[in-house]
Amino acid sequence: AQSVTQLGSHVSVSEGALVLLRCNYSSSVPPYLFWYVQYPNQGLQLLLKYTTGATLVKGINGFEAEFKKSETSFHLTKPSAHMSDAAEYFCAVSAPGTYKYIFGTGTRLKVLA
Amino acid sequence: DVKVTQSSRYLVKRTGEKVFLECVQDMDHENMFWYRQDPGLGLRLIYFSYDVKMKEKGDIPEGYSVSREKKERFSLILESASTNQTSMYLCASTLPGQKNTGELFFGEGSRLTVL
Repeated sequence: AQSVTQLGSHVSVSEGALVLLRCNYSSSVPPYLFWYVQYPNQGLQLLLKYTTGATLVKGINGFEAEFKKSETSFHLTKPSAHMSDAAEYFCAVSAPGTYKYIFGTGTRLKVLA
Repeated sequence: DVKVTQSSRYLVKRTGEKVFLECVQDMDHENMFWYRQDPGLGLRLIYFSYDVKMKEKGDIPEGYSVSREKKERFSLILESASTNQTSMYLCASTLPGQKNTGELFFGEGSRLTVL
């Protein structure tokens, strides 16, 4: 069975500060891991994904995430927050070759001027 | 670019009405999904389809049905809408199996209010 836990339903950072959104997962098989972003009144779009290979994954808009198997974590970071980063972020896990995607409950990021 | 189009962005229906939510994708994807999104609950899978006329129940199928008559179109049906089905509904598609990079492509969502 797979599950995803996102710590913190709301996170506030100042513009220019580090963004850190936490995601922990459980999976009985090597997982695929994803971060999606949702802007108000829109669908989700992929920020980045980990499938195999390099554990540090770079995505769009300056975001990156590191797969840490020993910690079962896939935290999302960005060195310097921008006002346009304000959105809701979802971590997700899937088992390769399956249709099942398990989503976390989401973290709403607020960027303060 | 992959395009997943949900025809209705906002709907208001009355309790007991039959509701159709339509989703069309233009990238020849085999797999299509309907999710429900509620605050604090994330996305929950309602139904999944891996081929025309093929469907499987997700985690919360009760009160819903689906139709996949053509590969590009996946419809969600609420036979008799109830107030607890007020929600945001998201359609998504992706490639299957070994071709699956894993990425889900989402539509913009259909926000349904049942009065």
